[in-house]
Amino acid sequence: QQQVKQSPQSLIVQKGGISIINCAYENTAFDYFPWYQQFPGKGPALLIAIRPDVSEKKEGRFTISFNKSAKQFSLHIMDSQPGDSATYFCAASMENAGKSTFGDGTTLTVKP
Amino acid sequence: EAQVTQNPRYLITVTGKKLTVTCSQNMNHEYMSWYRQDPGLGLRQIYYSMNVEVTDKGDVPEGYKVSRKEKRNFPLILESPSPNQTSLYFCASSSRHGEQYFGPGTRLTVT
Repeated sequence: QQQVKQSPQSLIVQKGGISIINCAYENTAFDYFPWYQQFPGKGPALLIAIRPDVSEKKEGRFTISFNKSAKQFSLHIMDSQPGDSATYFCAASMENAGKSTFGDGTTLTVKP
Repeated sequence: EAQVTQNPRYLITVTGKKLTVTCSQNMNHEYMSWYRQDPGLGLRQIYYSMNVEVTDKGDVPEGYKVSRKEKRNFPLILESPSPNQTSLYFCASSSRHGEQYFGPGTRLTVT
Protein backbone atom coordinates (compact mmCIF):
# COMPACT_ATOMS: atom_id res chain seq x y z
CA GLN A 1 0.00 0.00 0.00
CA GLN A 2 1.57 3.23 -1.18
CA GLN A 3 1.53 5.74 1.63
CA VAL A 4 2.29 8.84 -0.47
CA LYS A 5 0.66 9.28 -3.87
CA GLN A 6 1.99 11.98 -6.18
CA SER A 7 0.47 13.43 -9.34
CA PRO A 8 0.91 14.16 -12.14
CA GLN A 9 3.73 11.92 -13.32
CA SER A 10 4.85 14.57 -15.80
CA LEU A 11 4.02 18.21 -16.37
CA ILE A 12 4.76 20.65 -19.18
CA VAL A 13 4.36 24.36 -18.46
CA GLN A 14 5.12 27.49 -20.44
CA LYS A 15 7.68 29.93 -19.07
CA GLY A 16 5.97 32.30 -16.67
CA GLY A 17 3.16 29.88 -15.90
CA ILE A 18 2.22 28.17 -12.64
CA SER A 19 3.29 24.58 -11.99
CA ILE A 20 1.22 22.59 -9.52
CA ILE A 21 2.14 19.15 -8.16
CA ASN A 22 -0.07 17.29 -5.72
CA CYS A 23 0.51 14.67 -3.06
CA ALA A 24 -1.79 12.71 -0.81
CA TYR A 25 -0.76 10.70 2.23
CA GLU A 26 -2.32 7.95 4.31
CA ASN A 27 -0.62 7.98 7.69
CA THR A 28 -1.94 10.69 10.01
CA ALA A 29 1.16 10.31 12.20
CA PHE A 30 3.30 11.99 9.53
CA ASP A 31 4.38 15.42 10.75
CA TYR A 32 7.02 16.57 8.26
CA PHE A 33 6.30 17.11 4.56
CA PRO A 34 9.25 18.14 2.37
CA TRP A 35 9.59 18.64 -1.35
CA TYR A 36 12.85 17.69 -3.03
CA GLN A 37 14.16 18.82 -6.41
CA GLN A 38 16.41 16.58 -8.48
CA PHE A 39 18.38 17.51 -11.59
CA PRO A 40 19.71 14.82 -13.94
CA GLY A 41 22.83 13.15 -12.57
CA LYS A 42 22.43 14.68 -9.12
CA GLY A 43 21.00 13.63 -5.80
CA PRO A 44 17.72 15.17 -4.59
CA ALA A 45 17.99 18.45 -2.68
CA LEU A 46 15.49 19.96 -0.28
CA LEU A 47 13.39 22.67 -1.90
CA ILE A 48 10.86 23.55 0.79
CA ALA A 49 9.16 21.77 3.69
CA ILE A 50 6.12 22.22 5.92
CA ARG A 51 4.88 20.92 9.24
CA PRO A 52 1.14 20.35 9.85
CA ASP A 53 0.67 23.27 12.22
CA VAL A 54 0.49 25.69 9.27
CA SER A 55 -1.57 25.58 6.08
CA GLU A 56 0.84 27.35 3.77
CA LYS A 57 4.53 28.14 3.49
CA LYS A 58 6.11 30.35 0.88
CA GLU A 59 9.75 30.69 -0.10
CA GLY A 60 10.31 32.91 -3.09
CA ARG A 61 8.44 31.45 -6.07
CA PHE A 62 7.76 28.17 -4.27
CA THR A 63 4.71 27.60 -2.05
CA ILE A 64 3.47 24.54 -0.19
CA SER A 65 -0.25 24.36 0.52
CA PHE A 66 -1.23 21.87 3.22
CA ASN A 67 -4.71 20.49 3.91
CA LYS A 68 -4.59 18.37 7.05
CA SER A 69 -8.23 17.23 6.96
CA ALA A 70 -7.91 16.04 3.36
CA LYS A 71 -4.43 14.59 3.98
CA GLN A 72 -3.12 16.42 0.94
CA PHE A 73 -0.34 18.86 0.20
CA SER A 74 0.80 20.53 -2.97
CA LEU A 75 3.73 22.44 -4.43
CA HIS A 76 3.07 25.58 -6.45
CA ILE A 77 5.84 27.09 -8.55
CA MET A 78 4.96 30.61 -9.62
CA ASP A 79 6.48 32.26 -12.70
CA SER A 80 8.00 28.93 -13.75
CA GLN A 81 11.39 29.17 -15.47
CA PRO A 82 13.27 26.77 -17.77
CA GLY A 83 15.80 26.35 -14.94
CA ASP A 84 13.01 24.82 -12.85
CA SER A 85 12.90 21.84 -15.24
CA ALA A 86 13.68 18.90 -12.96
CA THR A 87 12.08 15.98 -11.15
CA TYR A 88 10.19 16.86 -7.99
CA PHE A 89 9.49 14.46 -5.14
CA CYS A 90 7.15 14.94 -2.22
CA ALA A 91 7.84 13.01 0.96
CA ALA A 92 6.40 12.42 4.38
CA SER A 93 7.94 11.34 7.65
CA MET A 94 7.65 11.56 11.40
CA GLU A 95 10.07 13.80 13.27
CA ASN A 96 12.55 11.86 15.39
CA ALA A 97 11.86 8.76 13.29
CA GLY A 98 14.20 7.60 10.58
CA LYS A 99 11.60 6.27 8.16
CA SER A 100 10.66 8.41 5.16
CA THR A 101 8.20 7.74 2.36
CA PHE A 102 8.54 9.42 -1.02
CA GLY A 103 6.10 9.93 -3.85
CA ASP A 104 6.91 8.53 -7.28
CA GLY A 105 8.11 11.87 -8.61
CA THR A 106 6.96 14.43 -11.19
CA THR A 107 9.06 15.40 -14.18
CA LEU A 108 8.54 19.09 -14.84
CA THR A 109 9.45 20.65 -18.16
CA VAL A 110 9.22 24.42 -18.51
CA LYS A 111 9.18 25.50 -22.15
CA PRO A 112 10.82 28.82 -23.03
CA GLU B 1 31.99 21.81 2.86
CA ALA B 2 29.03 19.87 4.25
CA GLN B 3 28.52 16.79 2.14
CA VAL B 4 27.57 13.16 1.78
CA THR B 5 30.00 11.10 -0.26
CA GLN B 6 29.40 7.72 -1.88
CA ASN B 7 31.79 5.31 -3.52
CA PRO B 8 31.92 3.99 -6.09
CA ARG B 9 29.81 6.23 -8.32
CA TYR B 10 29.44 3.55 -10.98
CA LEU B 11 29.70 -0.21 -10.59
CA ILE B 12 29.13 -3.09 -12.97
CA THR B 13 29.24 -6.52 -11.39
CA VAL B 14 28.03 -10.07 -11.90
CA THR B 15 25.33 -12.00 -10.12
CA GLY B 16 26.42 -13.35 -6.76
CA LYS B 17 29.61 -11.34 -6.30
CA LYS B 18 29.49 -9.57 -2.94
CA LEU B 19 29.87 -5.81 -3.03
CA THR B 20 29.87 -2.85 -0.67
CA VAL B 21 28.90 0.73 -1.42
CA THR B 22 30.35 3.17 1.08
CA CYS B 23 28.67 6.29 2.41
CA SER B 24 30.17 8.97 4.61
CA GLN B 25 28.88 12.29 5.96
CA ASN B 26 30.72 15.15 7.63
CA MET B 27 27.78 16.94 9.26
CA ASN B 28 27.66 14.92 12.49
CA HIS B 29 24.12 13.78 11.62
CA GLU B 30 22.47 11.13 13.75
CA TYR B 31 20.27 9.74 10.98
CA MET B 32 21.40 8.04 7.80
CA SER B 33 19.46 6.18 5.10
CA TRP B 34 19.87 4.24 1.90
CA TYR B 35 17.43 4.59 -1.00
CA ARG B 36 17.10 3.07 -4.41
CA GLN B 37 15.64 5.01 -7.31
CA ASP B 38 13.98 3.23 -10.21
CA PRO B 39 12.05 4.84 -13.09
CA GLY B 40 8.44 5.50 -12.14
CA LEU B 41 8.93 4.22 -8.60
CA GLY B 42 10.44 7.26 -6.93
CA LEU B 43 12.82 6.83 -4.03
CA ARG B 44 12.30 3.76 -1.92
CA GLN B 45 13.99 3.49 1.46
CA ILE B 46 16.08 0.35 1.92
CA TYR B 47 17.44 0.76 5.44
CA TYR B 48 17.89 3.58 7.89
CA SER B 49 19.88 4.24 11.04
CA MET B 50 19.00 6.57 13.88
CA ASN B 51 22.35 6.30 15.61
CA VAL B 52 25.48 4.16 15.94
CA GLU B 53 24.58 0.47 16.16
CA VAL B 54 20.87 1.29 15.57
CA THR B 55 19.49 0.24 12.19
CA ASP B 56 16.04 -0.65 10.91
CA LYS B 57 14.37 -1.85 7.74
CA GLY B 58 12.81 0.52 5.27
CA ASP B 59 10.33 -0.47 2.58
CA VAL B 60 12.58 -2.66 0.41
CA PRO B 61 15.26 -4.30 2.62
CA GLU B 62 15.38 -7.74 1.00
CA GLY B 63 18.82 -8.60 -0.37
CA TYR B 64 20.62 -5.79 1.44
CA LYS B 65 22.57 -5.39 4.68
CA VAL B 66 23.85 -2.33 6.47
CA SER B 67 25.98 -1.52 9.48
CA ARG B 68 26.59 1.63 11.52
CA LYS B 69 29.75 1.23 13.54
CA GLU B 70 30.71 4.90 13.36
CA LYS B 71 28.47 7.94 13.25
CA ARG B 72 29.84 9.22 9.93
CA ASN B 73 29.75 5.96 7.93
CA PHE B 74 26.85 3.81 6.74
CA PRO B 75 27.90 1.18 4.17
CA LEU B 76 25.40 -0.76 2.06
CA ILE B 77 26.26 -4.42 1.51
CA LEU B 78 24.88 -6.70 -1.19
CA GLU B 79 25.94 -10.21 -0.17
CA SER B 80 24.72 -11.87 -3.37
CA PRO B 81 23.62 -9.28 -5.91
CA SER B 82 20.95 -10.18 -8.45
CA PRO B 83 19.89 -8.39 -11.68
CA ASN B 84 16.78 -6.97 -9.98
CA GLN B 85 19.11 -4.93 -7.77
CA THR B 86 20.29 -2.97 -10.79
CA SER B 87 19.37 0.56 -9.79
CA LEU B 88 20.53 4.02 -8.77
CA TYR B 89 21.36 4.14 -5.08
CA PHE B 90 21.42 7.19 -2.84
CA CYS B 91 22.73 7.62 0.66
CA ALA B 92 21.28 10.43 2.79
CA SER B 93 21.87 11.90 6.23
CA SER B 94 19.87 14.21 8.45
CA SER B 95 19.61 15.61 11.91
CA ARG B 96 16.54 14.77 14.00
CA HIS B 97 14.61 17.67 12.50
CA GLY B 98 13.95 16.54 9.00
CA GLU B 99 15.98 17.82 6.06
CA GLN B 100 17.85 15.01 4.35
CA TYR B 101 21.13 15.65 2.54
CA PHE B 102 21.68 13.24 -0.33
CA GLY B 103 24.88 11.92 -1.81
CA PRO B 104 25.60 12.02 -5.56
CA GLY B 105 24.35 8.49 -6.19
CA THR B 106 25.83 5.13 -7.17
CA ARG B 107 24.68 3.55 -10.40
CA LEU B 108 24.84 -0.23 -10.01
CA THR B 109 24.43 -2.73 -12.83
CA VAL B 110 24.24 -6.44 -12.02
CA THR B 111 24.59 -8.76 -15.02
